[in-house]
Amino acid sequence: DSGVTQTPKHLITATGQRVTLRCSPRSGDLSVYWYQQSLDQGLQFLIQYYNGEERAKGNILERFSAQQFPDLHSELNLSSLELGDSALYFCASSARTGILGTGELFFGEGSRLTVL
Amino acid sequence: GDSVTQMEGPVTLSEEAFLTINCTYTATGYPSLFWYVQYPGEGLQLLLKATKADDKGSNKGFEATYRKETTSFHLEKGSVQVSDSAVYFCALSGPPNTGNQFYFGTGTSLTVIP
Repeated sequence: DSGVTQTPKHLITATGQRVTLRCSPRSGDLSVYWYQQSLDQGLQFLIQYYNGEERAKGNILERFSAQQFPDLHSELNLSSLELGDSALYFCASSARTGILGTGELFFGEGSRLTVL
Repeated sequence: GDSVTQMEGPVTLSEEAFLTINCTYTATGYPSLFWYVQYPGEGLQLLLKATKADDKGSNKGFEATYRKETTSFHLEKGSVQVSDSAVYFCALSGPPNTGNQFYFGTGTSLTVIP
């Protein structure tokens, strides 16, 4: 158990719909990362937050958005869903960032999204 | 920019065979290097890491040495088991002034047959 909790574990929805994925980082971790894993694209970095603020943005579509709340949990919102958005979405957290150096990422078990 | 290139899979080995999964990186500065493992139906787990040149990370019989001169971090295990069947990801973390960005390779699927 990594200590990172993601909900829901599985989600099936239709094209055009909107979903929200939730992530609770490890206790005390300030940094949250979101990744998308699909069969043909590997692990794609979407976005990173640190203590409530957006720190870095990767290959995140405009239809997707995220935020990190004061209690440090994070949500990833996916809207106008397309078939190609079907994937595993992982959240990861890390204790350290910036000048404090590199801490490893701890991953949740992922949320599997199926768009029909 | 920073990137990681790892050996294409899938890799199929017999039990007790020697394993090498190649990983090379491109980075500015002095990144930290990681190997993560993903077992079927699970999230990624840290397998081992190295934070500076010539460091050797090791765990569960797996080893990898941070080679700055060849910009490599190859994963090795002397005798694989069926339970090692998984997808292995090489990753690097950029220097602190990049916000500790993580860059992952495409993953190498390993299947070990009895």
